[in-house]
Amino acid sequence: GESVGLHLPTLSVQEGDNSIINCAYSNSASDYFIWYKQESGKGPQFIIDIRSNMDKRQGQRVTVLLNKTVKHLSLQIAATQPGDSAVYFCAETYTGANSKLTFGKGITLSVRP
Amino acid sequence: NAGVMQNPRHLVRRRGQEARLRCSPMKGHSHVYWYRQLPEEGLKFMVYLQKENIIDESGMPKERFSAEFPKEGPSILRIQQVVRGDSAAYFCASSPGRENYGYTFGSGTRLTVV
Repeated sequence: GESVGLHLPTLSVQEGDNSIINCAYSNSASDYFIWYKQESGKGPQFIIDIRSNMDKRQGQRVTVLLNKTVKHLSLQIAATQPGDSAVYFCAETYTGANSKLTFGKGITLSVRP
Repeated sequence: NAGVMQNPRHLVRRRGQEARLRCSPMKGHSHVYWYRQLPEEGLKFMVYLQKENIIDESGMPKERFSAEFPKEGPSILRIQQVVRGDSAAYFCASSPGRENYGYTFGSGTRLTVV
């Protein structure tokens, strides 16, 4: 079946360094992608999104890159801070799916002081 | 704006009991989504409701699970005759429209079946 998955289960980075979190998706019909951050005991928090007609989108300290050719999505976090420590999920959906999201399994980002 | 409110935050039930999870959407939102998250897993879609209507329940088990979103009051996810495998975090999200993707999640209800 169609799925969204992440390459690595955990990522440890030094405070101040840049972080890159990768995600592969397999549903070629997906046209909208979202990155969520989930802290312990909380619900997923929207970080940034991108539509399939774009290949890059920037937010505050975060950038999402989309490569439709290889069905790959990445989240870049600049100058990683201790508050960025959390589990990150990519999610995808497509027009007509009633906003139903398919989530990947998640990757834990751990920031070393 | 208080955001999406879920209660209870934690719920413990014995096998065979019923669990009721409540979700109050953000003010002005008439669309509600329920997701389930198993330990160390991503969220899995269960059901999508609009006021008084179930739009998509393709992710919800056919037996023991039901959901409603009445004209007045919160959305309710009901699990009858709970089993250990129902232990999970259940998240609700709301949006103002059908194709509004960046919706807001609540803090979830952690259900433990003992």
